[in-house]
Amino acid sequence: KAGVTQTPRYLIKTRGQQVTLSCSPISGHRSVSWYQQTPGQGLQFLFEYFSETQRNKGNFPGRFSGRQFSNSRSEMNVSTLELGDSALYLCASSSRLQGGTEAFFGQGTRLTVV
Amino acid sequence: GESVGLHLPTLSVQEGDNSIINCAYSNSASDYFIWYKQESGKGPQFIIDIRSNMDKRQGQRVTVLLNKTVKHLSLQIAATQPGDSAVYFCAENSGGSYIPTFGRGTSLIVHP
Repeated sequence: KAGVTQTPRYLIKTRGQQVTLSCSPISGHRSVSWYQQTPGQGLQFLFEYFSETQRNKGNFPGRFSGRQFSNSRSEMNVSTLELGDSALYLCASSSRLQGGTEAFFGQGTRLTVV
Repeated sequence: GESVGLHLPTLSVQEGDNSIINCAYSNSASDYFIWYKQESGKGPQFIIDIRSNMDKRQGQRVTVLLNKTVKHLSLQIAATQPGDSAVYFCAENSGGSYIPTFGRGTSLIVHP
């Protein structure tokens, strides 16, 4: 069973640009969550999508957005990039069973904003 | 507010020793807990989980202990190996939430 796939693995962007990251969840998983990981703040929850709908949202500005497609693949977009957006962006998929279930993470996309 | 830089707690052990990594959680309503291992350049990897109706669960070389009275979680790794070197995160879910809250992480360094 293939794991969670994130593309691209590495990205360098300039301040003010926008970026789109992609995540393909484990087959059969309908929940996709996005996290930002930085040395200063640790793992911070961005948002979760389930069946193409955003179900939960973390405390990030509106420059961060996402969407999910009918095949459960998800994209996240960051507009008007700032230096502080440099981070490892992680995607996790889960089957979202009742009562909590483990999330499976991808390798992440390392975004550097210069 | 102003963000403060994180300094991860670090645990250094010798190969073959047992390791204990601790985690304090704050939400008394949390009912599902997970330990993740993150190696350099990789995403977090599931190790073991435990629900709040249990106080101990064992896996292969790993044991998770849950003390709900003091809101404390620990991960014990038996016969630690150099391949266990990584950052370990605890995560908690509460009230059927599907979004785990992650702790700050502990860096485990295993010396051959």
